[in-house]
Formats: sequence, structure tokens, C-alpha cells
Amino acid sequence: GAGVSQTPSNKVTEKGKYVELRCDPISGHTALYWYRQSLGQGPEFLIYFQGTGAADDSGLPNDRFFAVRPEGSVSTLKIQRTERGDSAMYLCASSSKPGNTIYFGEGSWLTVV
Amino acid sequence: AQSVTQLDSHVSVSEGTPVLLRCNYSSSYSPSLFWYVQHPNKGLQLLLKYTSAATLVKGINGFEAEFKKSETSFHLTKPSAHMSDAAEYFCVVSEHNFNKFYFGSGTKLNVKP
Repeated sequence: GAGVSQTPSNKVTEKGKYVELRCDPISGHTALYWYRQSLGQGPEFLIYFQGTGAADDSGLPNDRFFAVRPEGSVSTLKIQRTERGDSAMYLCASSSKPGNTIYFGEGSWLTVV
Repeated sequence: AQSVTQLDSHVSVSEGTPVLLRCNYSSSYSPSLFWYVQHPNKGLQLLLKYTSAATLVKGINGFEAEFKKSETSFHLTKPSAHMSDAAEYFCVVSEHNFNKFYFGSGTKLNVKP
């Protein structure tokens, strides 16, 4: 596609539920990033994929968070047993290779009630 | 360790007057530095980046930034503000391998008619 696409754009879920957020990067981009942006703050790094593998997942806050990219293109961020503190904008970005410009999607707003 | 400090959470200017958004960074390596803009309900858009070439970097929409190593600063400027510049601006530093990007907390720019 023309840009990074994220779905859903908005998600409201109940505390304790499971959530999946999807990211479709720019075609051909091998590097893919997930960030989380809470209200009033800058985005914080969660995880970075190079191809299919998670090259750096040091930003995932705990084991309720997991991300996959099985075919090296689309990625899914999975959150188990959601908590109200997980409410945030989840941003995905991609680049053609590390070091090149990264392009962000418009994000998925997650609200846990 | 890498970090970014944006000194002003809010900046207000009149249309047609200069813009200055301040950013200081700390980095253990020779940093790469970026400015991104985020309009309401939109994704992050790259304005400009510094990657150890010319210290004065020109970006889109008339913005530019100067890398000053002695001051560890990377302030964003524009000679004449336009109403469409009203948005939130993020200063970003990346590690030498570009796997992670560290965002500042953001500066909201208000442009008055």
C-alpha cells in the first residue's frame, strides 16, 4: 500500500479481555517497529522486527504483550488480560532497512474500560 | 543511554513570526536526530533528520534544525509560522544501529492569527 496501515483505528475493550492490533507496513519494508504513546507523552519503543524475527523486544512491558510477524510483512501486536493502564495509542512504523527513514501509521487507539 | 528533553511542552506564536522549538539530547554514541510532527488524529510525519552530514538540516514545510554537539542541542526553527503548522512536534534520537528511537515528550505548537 501507499503507507503503513493499522487496524482497528479504535478499539474499546473490557478489562481482562484479549486484544489484537494489526499493522500492514509499506510493501517491501523489512524493518517494522511498534511503539506505544500514552496521553501527553511521546511514543515509547515496544519491539522491533527485522524480517520475521523480533530483533529487539526489550520495550515490551510484561509477558502479557506479544507480537508476531510470521511472513515478514504484516505484524500483529497481541495483548492478553488487558488492564486499564494499557489504554494508549499503539503506533506501527516501517522502514526499508535499519537506518533509513521510518514511516508511521496513524495508530490504533486502545481503550480498556 | 539515549534520551531527549524537549524544554517546552507548549509554544504559542503569531502567524508570520518565527518558530523555535527546543530539544536537548544525551547519547553515548554519535547520534542520529530527527524531528517528527503529529497533527491531530494523524500519524507521525518526518520533518527532517540529521545523520552526521551537514549540521544545518533543512526539512519540509520550511523547517530546519541545527545540530550543535557542544550544546547537545537540535533545536527546530522556522522563519515564519503558518496556521497549518499548529501541531505537536517530537524530537527523536536513535541508537547507532537505528533499532530504537527515543522520543521526547513533545511540544504543542499553537499558531495565533
